[in-house]
Amino acid sequence: EPEVTQTPSHQVTQMGQEVILRCVPISNHLYFYWYRQILGQKVEFLVSFYNNEISEKSEIFDDQFSVERPDGSNFTLKIRSTKLEDSAMYFCASSVDGSNYGYTFGSGTRLTVV
Amino acid sequence: QQQVKQSPQSLIVQKGGISIINCAYENTAFDYFPWYQQFPGKGPALLIAIRPDVSEKKEGRFTISFNKSAKQFSLHIMDSQPGDSATYFCAASSAGNTPLVFGKGTRLSVIA
Repeated sequence: EPEVTQTPSHQVTQMGQEVILRCVPISNHLYFYWYRQILGQKVEFLVSFYNNEISEKSEIFDDQFSVERPDGSNFTLKIRSTKLEDSAMYFCASSVDGSNYGYTFGSGTRLTVV
Repeated sequence: QQQVKQSPQSLIVQKGGISIINCAYENTAFDYFPWYQQFPGKGPALLIAIRPDVSEKKEGRFTISFNKSAKQFSLHIMDSQPGDSATYFCAASSAGNTPLVFGKGTRLSVIA
């Protein structure tokens, strides 16, 4: 079964450093998403991306966040200057047609900011 | 109005018993209600979903019951097994492609 692949599985970074979280969506999917889950809390939407631009973003997705599809396979989330409160599990998801019915989530990257 | 409230926060059920998790929402524009299952270290995986044009959907041991007038929906797991032990999230969205709004999750433990 096709999977959404995320790397790394765990990243530890110093506060103030930049991090890039990487995702390889399912190959025929056209819509891409980032969600995050602070430990023990609910999963929260960050951003959706289609046709090389952001289609929707939440209030969490402020100027320190950016997304990019640098090539035909990768989808990245960059956090420019990490804060302690950015520590969370970050999930990438993709869908073939943008409908929520076809979401597939990756296994996540656990980001720890120290 | 965008919230989805989920209860209970944790649930312990005997093997073979019925697990019931409840969710409530406020936004009447929501028209898609999925349940996700998450094992430790893994991403949420779609378990079962329902649209508001039906009151119940069953897939194997998993059933969603939907009450549109009460704005509530619930997940029933029949004959619960230890392998069902996981965190379950309800979610909702509208218009088919708006972001999913998740509940806070229920940690289910099925004990033998």
